[in-house]
Amino acid sequence: GDSVTQMEGPVTLSEEAFLTINCTYTATGYPSLFWYVQYPGEGLQLLLKATKADDKGSNKGFEATYRKETTSFHLEKGSVQVSDSAVYFCALSDIGGSNYKLTFGKGTLLTVNP
Amino acid sequence: GAGVSQSPSNKVTEKGKDVELRCDPISGHTALYWYRQSLGQGLEFLIYFQGNSAPDKSGLPSDRFSAERTGGSVSTLTIQRTQQEDSAVYLCASSLATTTYEQYFGPGTRLTVT
Repeated sequence: GDSVTQMEGPVTLSEEAFLTINCTYTATGYPSLFWYVQYPGEGLQLLLKATKADDKGSNKGFEATYRKETTSFHLEKGSVQVSDSAVYFCALSDIGGSNYKLTFGKGTLLTVNP
Repeated sequence: GAGVSQSPSNKVTEKGKDVELRCDPISGHTALYWYRQSLGQGLEFLIYFQGNSAPDKSGLPSDRFSAERTGGSVSTLTIQRTQQEDSAVYLCASSLATTTYEQYFGPGTRLTVT
């Protein structure tokens, strides 16, 4: 079945540091890939997405590139802010399946200190 | 516009009782999903509704769990004879159509079974 593996947290960084959160996936079909973010006390929000190989999703300074050859979708940001502190989830949706359910990684807690 | 809403936001119940959790999707969204977020299992898909089609119940963990969607809009997730392992945050998401991969999540219902 489909699965997503992302780096274990927590990750603690200082403001303006570079962020990478690794994500790899296994899928039977050709999935779409997502990063969702959950800020403290809030619901899940879509951060960015990519629907085919070599696509780069980007939003709010975050980027991730769909790498089919390495089955990866690593999240990066060049300069994090305190307001980026949240839990980040990598997810896939297998469009070859009977629905478009999301399969999530276990989440990575990011804390950014001033 | 209004996002996905869920009620109640918190529910504490005694083991063995039945509970009902409600989801109001974004108006016009034909697809509706229920997920469960727990410490041990992360985010798991439970059930999917699309229009008037039969729901995909493949993620429901036991026959104590059921869900319905009335009039293609509001959905209710029912857990019968609750167990302590049912304690989790139950998330609802909706999307415009199955070909739109962006799922919009509600704030969740935190269920605690004592």
